[in-house]
Amino acid sequence: GESVGLHLPTLSVQEGDNSIINCAYSNSASDYFIWYKQESGKGPQFIIDIRSNMDKRQGQRVTVLLNKTVKHLSLQIAATQPGDSAVYFCAENRRNSGYSTLTFGKGTMLLVSP
Amino acid sequence: DTGVSQDPRHKITKRGQNVTFRCDPISEHNRLYWYRQTLGQGPEFLTYFQNEAQLEKSRLLSDRFSAERPKGSFSTLEIQRTEQGDSAMYLCASSLAGGVAGSSYNEQFFGPGTRLTVL
Repeated sequence: GESVGLHLPTLSVQEGDNSIINCAYSNSASDYFIWYKQESGKGPQFIIDIRSNMDKRQGQRVTVLLNKTVKHLSLQIAATQPGDSAVYFCAENRRNSGYSTLTFGKGTMLLVSP
Repeated sequence: DTGVSQDPRHKITKRGQNVTFRCDPISEHNRLYWYRQTLGQGPEFLTYFQNEAQLEKSRLLSDRFSAERPKGSFSTLEIQRTEQGDSAMYLCASSLAGGVAGSSYNEQFFGPGTRLTVL
């Protein structure tokens, strides 16, 4: 199930289940959205990105869905494995004058039980 | 290892001391970013370099924070007169300019971070 912990929302699933992690974003002008995975003691690792003119993109075992109407982004992980346990962040690519910056969401902890 | 590297990985210091962190980006990457990450939060953008030019520094948290990239390769982030509130993970990322046509977006690759603890 899904619960709100002291610091991070947490999603607990069984190995082999499909996982869905959700994210709300704020800036309708953002042109790219990115999902990162962060394991304990490591920096964020790129998973998948999606351009704002798309609503779905698939990778290996992962799918990102973008709903611009409600400013919502989701990451679906198929056949979740214990190695998927990590904190997942969504990020928006925001354009500034001549460069862009990533603005990260709060993050969701995914716990996968064998 | 050809990824982004950061040194040191951990730093413990006393309040009021100065600290300096180093980031070595992926060798062909001309863009370099510094972020700060506190417990339970996503990384927060601090500053950005394209080659040796620091193009954005208004997001640095205070005038105690400064960053350099003197030769357009490695970068340093310095915090002067550290405070307990500076305790956090400091992340560096690099990217290659000109990634996606019609967009300023280019994939950022993150280092492992430097964890700072100010006592």
